[in-house]
Amino acid sequence: KQEVTQIPAALSVPEGENLVLNCSFTDSAIYNLQWFRQDPGKGLTSLLLIQSSQREQTSGRLNASLDKSSGRSTLYIAASQPGDSATYLCAVKNSGYALNFGKGTSLLVTP
Amino acid sequence: DVKVTQSSRYLVKRTGEKVFLECVQDMDHENMFWYRQDPGLGLRLIYFSYDVKMKEKGDIPEGYSVSREKKERFSLILESASTNQTSMYLCASNTPDLINTEAFFGQGTRLTVV
Repeated sequence: KQEVTQIPAALSVPEGENLVLNCSFTDSAIYNLQWFRQDPGKGLTSLLLIQSSQREQTSGRLNASLDKSSGRSTLYIAASQPGDSATYLCAVKNSGYALNFGKGTSLLVTP
Repeated sequence: DVKVTQSSRYLVKRTGEKVFLECVQDMDHENMFWYRQDPGLGLRLIYFSYDVKMKEKGDIPEGYSVSREKKERFSLILESASTNQTSMYLCASNTPDLINTEAFFGQGTRLTVV
């Protein structure tokens, strides 16, 4: 069964710092990996989707990389802002229909 | 703007009640999902549907059932609500494309069973 791990579970950084969130998965036979953001008490917002054949995807200040063979993905956030404070979740898609989620990294960006 | 809409943001129900959670998507997606999210446990799949009237059990289907009579609507039913079903419930949808399919989520329903 696919296991998805996100480290660290929580992170606090001062505004302006660049930061990296990590996601690892045990079964490298994935079709894609998706990063989500979740604000407290809200649903998930899709940030980036990386297909299994891709190495990275970029959207604004966000850059996600994928190393399928080693079972790792990173989400890089440049020049962090207080509005980036949220929980970030990664999810991988193996065969079948559903996504397998990590438990998330809770990010706090302090002014 | 693509949308997955859940009928309620917050619900409070009594133990033993039959509870309906509704989800509607406007993207013509074939697949729809119900997850619950609990602190320390993350998101767990309850049920999913890959077509109208088709459903499959997820990891934690006990105490739940689902209905999909129309493509855009997927309902989660708690047959007899219990306090251990107090949770955040999240609906999602995507296409059957294996590789290039992005999942979209609703805003969540916070259910409290008293």
